[in-house]
Amino acid sequence: NAGVTQTPKFRVLKTGQSMTLLCAQDMNHEYMYWYRQDPGMGLRLIHYSVGEGTTAKGEVPDGYNVSRLKKQNFLLGLESAAPSQTSVYFCASRSLAGESEQYFGPGTRLTVT
Amino acid sequence: GDSVTQMEGPVTLSEEAFLTINCTYTATGYPSLFWYVQYPGEGLQLLLKATKADDKGSNKGFEATYRKETTSFHLEKGSVQVSDSAVYFCALSPSGGSNYKLTFGKGTLLTVNP
Repeated sequence: NAGVTQTPKFRVLKTGQSMTLLCAQDMNHEYMYWYRQDPGMGLRLIHYSVGEGTTAKGEVPDGYNVSRLKKQNFLLGLESAAPSQTSVYFCASRSLAGESEQYFGPGTRLTVT
Repeated sequence: GDSVTQMEGPVTLSEEAFLTINCTYTATGYPSLFWYVQYPGEGLQLLLKATKADDKGSNKGFEATYRKETTSFHLEKGSVQVSDSAVYFCALSPSGGSNYKLTFGKGTLLTVNP
């Protein structure tokens, strides 16, 4: 049982390049989330999904797109990377059960130069 | 909207010292409250939680009590170890229909020296 995995672990992009971050979970969870973590800012929600085929905007969605074509995968896309998107990105998932915790992946460290 | 305020860090303690990390929240109704821990280079993992007023969550020697009257959920440990060095996040999920979302505090870095 791998839990939540993220690919890649590290990436360096030039301004204007695009990339996709992949999150996969093997716990059959309905909910999935993408956060970014910046020094002194805690975790901020980018986008989330309450089920396969559905996505919604979080607190800081600008410059990102997401897709949830399969229940176990949640993709985060950057179409034209900017230095302000340099951050550590975390994916999380959660079951439908009332007070269940969110399970986090190990993170992706992205640097945009 | 909902918010979580936790004490600014960093916090540096010697091994076996007593730890308190303060957390207060603003939310309507009766949110659920969580403490997450992030060890160096890793993702967040749940440390403990409390889902109703006066509940005490506990795990690995850490405790926190849900105080509705003071809207607080302070994290405590009687004797910290070097292995407790990590970033600690207080978080809440609202009561009602949006309870699948978490609102996090900014995190408190704890360093424990031998």
